[in-house]
Amino acid sequence: GNSVTQMEGPVTLSEEAFLTINCTYTATGYPSLFWYVQYPGEGLQLLLKATKADDKGSNKGFEATYRKETTSFHLEKGSVQVSDSAVYFCALSDHGSSNTGKLIFGQGTTLQVKP
Amino acid sequence: NAGVTQTPKFQVLKTGQSMTLQCAQDMNHNSMYWYRQDPGMGLRLIYYSASEGTTDKGEVPNGYNVSRLNKREFSLRLESAAPSQTSVYFCASSDRGLNTEAFFGQGTRLTVV
Repeated sequence: GNSVTQMEGPVTLSEEAFLTINCTYTATGYPSLFWYVQYPGEGLQLLLKATKADDKGSNKGFEATYRKETTSFHLEKGSVQVSDSAVYFCALSDHGSSNTGKLIFGQGTTLQVKP
Repeated sequence: NAGVTQTPKFQVLKTGQSMTLQCAQDMNHNSMYWYRQDPGMGLRLIYYSASEGTTDKGEVPNGYNVSRLNKREFSLRLESAAPSQTSVYFCASSDRGLNTEAFFGQGTRLTVV
């Protein structure tokens, strides 16, 4: 079945460091791919998405490119801030037999950015 | 903008007790979902409702029931709580489709003792 695998955390970085969080997926067909972020004490919110191969999603300085050949959707940011400290989830939309919008999530990666 | 509202935010239950988690959305979305979040396991789908009047099992439905009361509301019921159901529960909603964003509530932290 479909699945998403993320690099294990926690990831601890100094402010202004470069961030990569790896995400790979297994899926039949051509799912859409998402990154969600969860700030402490809050629900998940969409960070960015890509709907087809080679698409690049971007938001708030974060980027991820849908790589069909390597089944990957790695999250990157050139210079992290303390306010980026959160849990990041990679997810794919599960096609199934109907477009229900169900999501399959990776296990989440905790990012801590120190001043 | 309320978005997705869940109640309660925190709950402690004794083993065997029952309770209902409430969820309402004001975005006129067709689809609604209940997920549980456990450490190291991400979010797993419990039940979903693709449209008003329909519900379907997700990945981990055992021990839960749901009701899609109307287009706005989707409740999750634990009939006889077990310690294994200690988790953080999230309700979400979206328009139908593969590419649309899901909107999440703030979560319910449930502890079963």
